Amino acid sequence: AQSVTQLDSHVSVSEGTPVLLRCNYSSSYSPSLFWYVQHPNKGLQLLLKYTSAATLVKGINGFEAEFKKSETSFHLTKPSAHMSDAAEYFCVVIGLNTGGFKTIFGAGTRLFVKA
Amino acid sequence: EPEVTQTPSHQVTQMGQEVILRCVPISNHLYFYWYRQILGQKVEFLVSFYNNEISEKSEIFDDQFSVERPDGSNFTLKIRSTKLEDSAMYFCASSEIPGQGNSPLHFGNGTRLTVT
Repeated sequence: AQSVTQLDSHVSVSEGTPVLLRCNYSSSYSPSLFWYVQHPNKGLQLLLKYTSAATLVKGINGFEAEFKKSETSFHLTKPSAHMSDAAEYFCVVIGLNTGGFKTIFGAGTRLFVKA
Repeated sequence: EPEVTQTPSHQVTQMGQEVILRCVPISNHLYFYWYRQILGQKVEFLVSFYNNEISEKSEIFDDQFSVERPDGSNFTLKIRSTKLEDSAMYFCASSEIPGQGNSPLHFGNGTRLTVT
């Protein structure tokens, strides 16, 4: 079975400082991992995806994530936060279950960026 | 870049009324999904659809809900008799082949349903 845990429901950073949004997963199958971003009153936009190629994945808007199998983690980072990064971020895993592939959403982390 | 489109963006309805939420998935995608997000809560899976039939559904997707692909482009979610607790943002998504990292879900901007 698969599960996704986003360790922080809220993260607050100052503009220009690094961002770290944490995600741990469990999967009995080599999972595919994604980060999505949701700006207020908007849909879900794909930020980046891990597809069992490079463990360090670069996405849009300067975000990147590192797949660490030994830690079962897929944390999202950005070197320098911008005001426009304020949004909700979802870690998502697609893994194999008894009924086929399942897409599991984390509970989300709301990122606040202070001026 | 092709995208998933949803209409309407907002829908207000009275309790007990039927609503139909519409989605146009990306044209070469084969798998279609509905998710919902109640205000302030997490994104919840409702149903997946492939080859003109439901492939999986959650406990939320009870007899009040149905999905249909009436033609080659639209994918609809019908709620037969709406309840107050159906108020949520409903997201449609599509993908080429599920379970593969190079085939992520592509989401529409959602329809905000308000039941009064």
